[in-house]
Amino acid sequence: DAGITQSPRYKITETGRQVTLMCHQTWSHSYMFWYRQDLGHGLRLIYYSAAADITDKGEVPDGYVVSRSKTENFPLTLESATRSQTSVYFCATKRQHGYTFGSGTRLTVV
Amino acid sequence: AQSVTQLGSHVSVSEGALVLLRCNYSSSVPPYLFWYVQYPNQGLQLLLKYTSAATLVKGINGFEAEFKKSETSFHLTKPSAHMSDAAEYFCAVSGEETSGSRLTFGEGTQLTVNP
Repeated sequence: DAGITQSPRYKITETGRQVTLMCHQTWSHSYMFWYRQDLGHGLRLIYYSAAADITDKGEVPDGYVVSRSKTENFPLTLESATRSQTSVYFCATKRQHGYTFGSGTRLTVV
Repeated sequence: AQSVTQLGSHVSVSEGALVLLRCNYSSSVPPYLFWYVQYPNQGLQLLLKYTSAATLVKGINGFEAEFKKSETSFHLTKPSAHMSDAAEYFCAVSGEETSGSRLTFGEGTQLTVNP
């Protein structure tokens, strides 16, 4: 089915480990986004990408790295996970005035 | 710069009563405005969006919102609440190309519907 897929759905990792969250779209939408959702903060933008090989920082980029070598994939990497990065992460794409969100990845850093 | 303020982190209504969730925005350019709903352990589902056409926007599940430029508001309403409306609701604004097409969200409003 066409859509946006995030993996894994749930992840537990240890402090200091590197972890990568995957986001894949079956469309060819130019814009892709990574948000984190935390209680009391709503959703905050981490990074976004306007096209392959074009990425830019959002509101809370520290501790995260992104890449976009192909239009359909937009992985998010935590280079050295910290407990403050425990959160629910959502990937999204944009087409015209519509934004579509993935189902999210619940990440716990212990 | 753009921002969203949702007034009231928790709203409680009785089944059948009016639902009113408040959203005020700030944007340096004409905004596009959105309401999303999130059910427990799920992603975000678009309820409705304003994209500079009609100021009264109708969405899914009987919800609607009115864009009022003079008040910089985009409040969400539903005439009669249903138990299935219990969820978290997010208002969001996009300033389109001037802000990289990013969506900026409010902090969310948790809606409880009492029988």
